[in-house]
Formats: sequence, structure tokens, C-alpha cells
Amino acid sequence: NAGVTQTPKFQVLKTGQSMTLQCAQDMNHEYMSWYRQDPGMGLRLIHYSVGAGITDQGEVPNGYNVSRSTTEDFPLRLLSAAPSQTSVYFCASRAGLNYGYTFGSGTRLTVV
Amino acid sequence: EDQVTQSPEALRLQEGESSSLNCSYTVSGLRGLFWYRQDPGKGPEFLFTLYSAGEEKEKERLKATLTKKESFLHITAPKPEDSATYLCAVSYSSASKIIFGSGTRLSIRP
Repeated sequence: NAGVTQTPKFQVLKTGQSMTLQCAQDMNHEYMSWYRQDPGMGLRLIHYSVGAGITDQGEVPNGYNVSRSTTEDFPLRLLSAAPSQTSVYFCASRAGLNYGYTFGSGTRLTVV
Repeated sequence: EDQVTQSPEALRLQEGESSSLNCSYTVSGLRGLFWYRQDPGKGPEFLFTLYSAGEEKEKERLKATLTKKESFLHITAPKPEDSATYLCAVSYSSASKIIFGSGTRLSIRP
């Protein structure tokens, strides 16, 4: 039972490059989210999804895109990386509105 | 404004010294309040879910309680391995998202 799997664990990008952070869950959860965590800022919601084909913006969506073609996968795309996107990114999934999240182990991204 | 506030930001205790962490929230239609533990370099680990005022949950040295305005995470006779950041989060009304507090960094000295 893998839970929520994120890849890669570490990534260094140059300003202007694009990349996709991968997230997969094997718990058949409908709800999935991407958060970023910065020192002193806590967890901030980037995008979330309530099911395959349905996504919505969170608190800090600018510079990021998501799609949800299957229940299992929820990739996060950085369109043109900026130093302000240096952060730790967490993907999470949950079974429904009354349930808490299961988190992945995170991707530490540095943009230089 | 929907908000979750945790206090204190940091707490240093001696091993065996009991204390409480606070999580206050201003949301309407609470669906669930969640406590997580996060160790450095790792993702948050789920601890408890509380659904209604008066509810309590326990796990080893931790006990979580809930009122209409806040939740407490009580730590009884803590050990150094309890050192971590503790996060509080709420799911509310018809919101499809969860909002988090900024956490309390707990340090237990041997």
C-alpha cells in the first residue's frame, strides 16, 4: 500500500524552465490537492481537484497548472520557473469532505 | 475571513513536562478538524480527526479536544521523540479545500 507517491524528491531548475511534478495515489481517493510549504508561511493551497476532470484554484495558483485525467494521478506543472517558486511541494489526497489528507513525502524544488 | 490560528509558534519543554497546543478557527459549518505531526524533511502525518464540540481523541501521550471555537492538543509527560511541528487544519461548510494553521514547533529536551 504505497499511499501518495511524489516524484522527483529533489529538483533544481533554471529560471524560465518548465517541469512537471508527479503525484499518484492508490487509495481511490476523489479529492487531491497540491500545497507548497515555505518557512514561516505554513502550507498554502495551490490547486485542488474533487474528481477526475475537475480542478480548481487554491490560494496561490499563479504560475502553476494542473490536470486530473484519472482518479490516481494529479500532476503539477510549472510553466516558467521563477526563484519565488523555490519551495517544498506536497501532494495530498483524501476520501471526502469529512476526512483528512494523506500526504506524500514532498518535492524540494530550487529555482536558480 | 476563514482562518486557522495556532499558538504558540514554538514551545520548548523539559522531558516529562506536560503542556497544551492551541488551534483556534473562524469558519462556518465545521466538517472536521485535523491534527498532523510533521518531522523535518517529511510530509505531515495524520494524527486525529475531531468532528463536533466535546469530542476527544487519544493516542499514546497525545489527546486532542474540540470546542466550538478551538481545539487543544494536550501532551502528557512528553519524550524527546515527540519533538516535531504540529499542524492543525479544518474542513468546513461546502468547501472542497482544507486550510491549515502555520503550526507549532515543539522541542522536548532530555
